[in-house]
Amino acid sequence: GENVEQHPSTLSVQEGDSAVIKCTYSDSASNYFPWYKQELGKRPQLIIDIRSNVGEKKDQRIAVTLNKTAKHFSLHITETQPEDSAVYFCASRDDKIIFGKGTRLHILP
Amino acid sequence: DSGVTQTPKHLITATGQRVTLRCSPRSGDLSVYWYQQSLDQGLQFLIQYYNGEERAKGNILERFSAQQFPDLHSELNLSSLELGDSALYFCASSQTGFGANVLTFGAGSRLTVL
Repeated sequence: GENVEQHPSTLSVQEGDSAVIKCTYSDSASNYFPWYKQELGKRPQLIIDIRSNVGEKKDQRIAVTLNKTAKHFSLHITETQPEDSAVYFCASRDDKIIFGKGTRLHILP
Repeated sequence: DSGVTQTPKHLITATGQRVTLRCSPRSGDLSVYWYQQSLDQGLQFLIQYYNGEERAKGNILERFSAQQFPDLHSELNLSSLELGDSALYFCASSQTGFGANVLTFGAGSRLTVL
C-alpha cells in the first residue's frame, strides 16, 4: 500500500537558522504533496503544497521541493522563529491522502 | 474556527462500549475524511466519503464504521472499544474528493477508553 516516510522525527534548530524536513513516498501515481503544521493542542493546518508538475514552490520563509524521479520532497524553513515550533506533517495523495508520522520541530532561543 | 465542526470534544467511556463521533463539514465541501491520532503518532487515515459515498478506505478496524448522510455530515462509529482506541479523532473536509484538495480539519474529538 501507499507509504510516506518522514525524517527526522525530532529536530532542534537555533532561532534564525534553517530547518529541513524530508519525506519519501512509495506510490508513483501520487500527484499532490501538502505540508501541514500542528501546534500543540491544535488542529493541523496547511502551510504549503506542491503539485507533481512543479519542482519547487516558495512562500515567504517556507519552501517545498519535489523530486519525482527519486520520489522525495522536502520542506525548508529559513530564518526560523519561536512560532515555528510545532509538529510538521508531510502527505502525498493519489486516491488517498496519506500522512507521514510527523517531525517535532523545536526552535531554540 | 475552521468551519469543520466535531462533536463531542471530549468523551470518556469504558472498554466494550460503543460511541459515535459526529462531523459537519465546511460549507460547500462535499468530502469528509476521518483520521486517528494516537499519542506521539501521526495521522492515521481511516476513511473518506464524497457526496454520501465511500471514496477511499485506510486501515480502519472492522469494529469501526462510518457514513456520510445526505446533508453531508458524517458519523464515525466505534464499537467494542479497547484501551488502544484512546486517541484524538480528526475529521477533515475538502471541496471535492480527489486531486489537489486542501483538507480543513476540525478541532478533533478526544476519546479516552478506561
